[in-house]
Amino acid sequence: IAGITQAPTSQILAAGRRMTLRCTQDMRHNAMYWYRQDLGLGLRLIHYSNTAGTTGKGEVPDGYSVSRANTDDFPLTLASAVPSQTSVYFCASSRLAGETDTQYFGPGTRLTVL
Amino acid sequence: GQNIDQPTEMTATEGAIVQINCTYQTSGFNGLFWYQQHAGEAPTFLSYNVLDGLEEKGRFSSFLSRSKGYSYLLLKELQMKDSASYLCAVGDSNYQLIWGAGTKLIIKP
Repeated sequence: IAGITQAPTSQILAAGRRMTLRCTQDMRHNAMYWYRQDLGLGLRLIHYSNTAGTTGKGEVPDGYSVSRANTDDFPLTLASAVPSQTSVYFCASSRLAGETDTQYFGPGTRLTVL
Repeated sequence: GQNIDQPTEMTATEGAIVQINCTYQTSGFNGLFWYQQHAGEAPTFLSYNVLDGLEEKGRFSSFLSRSKGYSYLLLKELQMKDSASYLCAVGDSNYQLIWGAGTKLIIKP
């Protein structure tokens, strides 16, 4: 693989269920990010990680958790999904961490919570 | 608060030139990015400005004025494949990107 992959591509989920969105990059980038994109709004940062073993909260972290056990993987977990979490979720990565750098995006996961 | 403003939608004709504006108010400034996003796809990087002036890259150019909190993306010789949303993003004082809602560009033959 080259770049960033995300799984699943799309998912319909019942409210209250737990869900993990997967993200893997093979570029050895230091920083990784999770965004959600909703119609009429800009991309909003949920969580980020500047290096393996560290994570940080973005603009809209409530209801989401992340982990960064290694450089390549950055899963996003919804502990108990709610309808307001219906969105398109993008994972991104950048080579540099702790400074502004070009971010490269995965193909996205379209999540519907009913 | 932090704010990025872009027009919601623009229409242009194939072969013409279009300018997409972006104004920003952020806590600090650490560069400005333009991304292209086709419907149903991921954003892809187009350009980066950190100093005032014009950056040219083929048919696309991006301009920045830090004193005015203003940037534009100029697309020349428009092609049908340029129909997409164009996203403006600014690096803030924490080096996080603040994103505009995007400008949907419709190209007509």
